[in-house]
Amino acid sequence: GDSVTQMEGPVTLSEEAFLTINCTYTATGYPSLFWYVQYPGEGLQLLLKATKADDKGSNKGFEATYRKETTSFHLEKGSVQVSDSAVYFCALFTGTASKLTFGTGTRLQVTL
Amino acid sequence: DGGITQSPKYLFRKEGQNVTLSCEQNLNHDAMYWYRQDPGQGLRLIYYSQIVNDFQKGDIAEGYSVSREKKESFPLTVTSAQKNPTAFYLCASASSTRAHEQFFGPGTRLTVL
Repeated sequence: GDSVTQMEGPVTLSEEAFLTINCTYTATGYPSLFWYVQYPGEGLQLLLKATKADDKGSNKGFEATYRKETTSFHLEKGSVQVSDSAVYFCALFTGTASKLTFGTGTRLQVTL
Repeated sequence: DGGITQSPKYLFRKEGQNVTLSCEQNLNHDAMYWYRQDPGQGLRLIYYSQIVNDFQKGDIAEGYSVSREKKESFPLTVTSAQKNPTAFYLCASASSTRAHEQFFGPGTRLTVL
């Protein structure tokens, strides 16, 4: 079945540091890939997406590139802020299953 | 304002009692979903509905029930058969043509005492 594997957290960074959160997937179909973010006490928000190989999703300074050859969709940001502290979820969607499959989430803590 | 509302934000129940969690959306979305979130386990799909009066089991449906009598509403009942009901419950909705882009409610934290 479909699955998503994320690096374990928590990830603790100083403000303005470079961020990478690794995400790899296995899927029976040809998935679309997503990053969702969950701020403390809230639901999830879609952060960015990519629907085909080599697509780059970007939003709010975050980027992720759909790498079919390595089945990866790593999240990056060049300079994190305290306000980026949240839990980040990688997810995939295939038409076969018609549902989102989420990774376990990675908590990011950014300090001054 | 369009969006998804869940109520209440915090819910406490005694063991053995059924409890119903509310989810309402005014986004005119056909599809609605219920997820359970536990620490270190990400989100797991409980039930989903792609159209009124129809719904399907997700990955962890045992001990839960749902109904979809109106497009706007998708209540989840946590029954006494659910062995570990204490969790954070998230509702989401999506349009039928963009089911991969789900909009989430703020969640309900259920604690069973």
